[in-house]
Amino acid sequence: GESVGLHLPTLSVQEGDNSIINCAYSNSASDYFIWYKQESGKGPQFIIDIRSNMDKRQGQRVTVLLNKTVKHLSLQIAATQPGDSAVYFCAEGLTGGGNKLTFGTGTQLKVEL
Amino acid sequence: DTAVSQTPKYLVTQMGNDKSIKCEQNLGHDTMYWYKQDSKKFLKIMFSYNNKELIINETVPNRFSPKSPDKAHLNLHINSLELGDSAVYFCASSQHGGGNTEAFFGQGTRLTVV
Repeated sequence: GESVGLHLPTLSVQEGDNSIINCAYSNSASDYFIWYKQESGKGPQFIIDIRSNMDKRQGQRVTVLLNKTVKHLSLQIAATQPGDSAVYFCAEGLTGGGNKLTFGTGTQLKVEL
Repeated sequence: DTAVSQTPKYLVTQMGNDKSIKCEQNLGHDTMYWYKQDSKKFLKIMFSYNNKELIINETVPNRFSPKSPDKAHLNLHINSLELGDSAVYFCASSQHGGGNTEAFFGQGTRLTVV
């Protein structure tokens, strides 16, 4: 079946540095992608999404880049803060596919003071 | 006001028992979901309901039966619980169509089967 993402890695960054979290997807038909943040003991929380007709989208302190050629998605977090520590998931979806999201395995982001 | 709320938050039960998890959303969304997150944090969709109608059933054992009495509620009943059912179960909701992609998740129910 289709799969998204890699084995759960851990990314450690210093407070104030920029973080880049990567994700690979394999379903070339997916037409939207979402990044979710999951803090310990909580449900996933929407961060930002991007449609397949875009290659970049910016939010507050976050930027998502989409490279459809290599089926790669990244989340950039500027000036990483301790509150950014969480597991980050990429997910892909297909319009008309019942809004089903296929999640990657997640990346643990640890922010060191 | 909690947008998507599910109960209980923790559930410990013995093998073979039957249990239910309840979910309610007050966002006025027309689509609700159940996701399962295993011990390795992998999230996988189980079911999706749109306006009380089942639209996604991802090869989940028949022991799992979702029930949607109205579009604001989606409950999950599990029969004959097995050790492998231990996981965190997340309810979510979204508004289908209109270009919306965001799904709102509940806090999760940690199910432990002993």
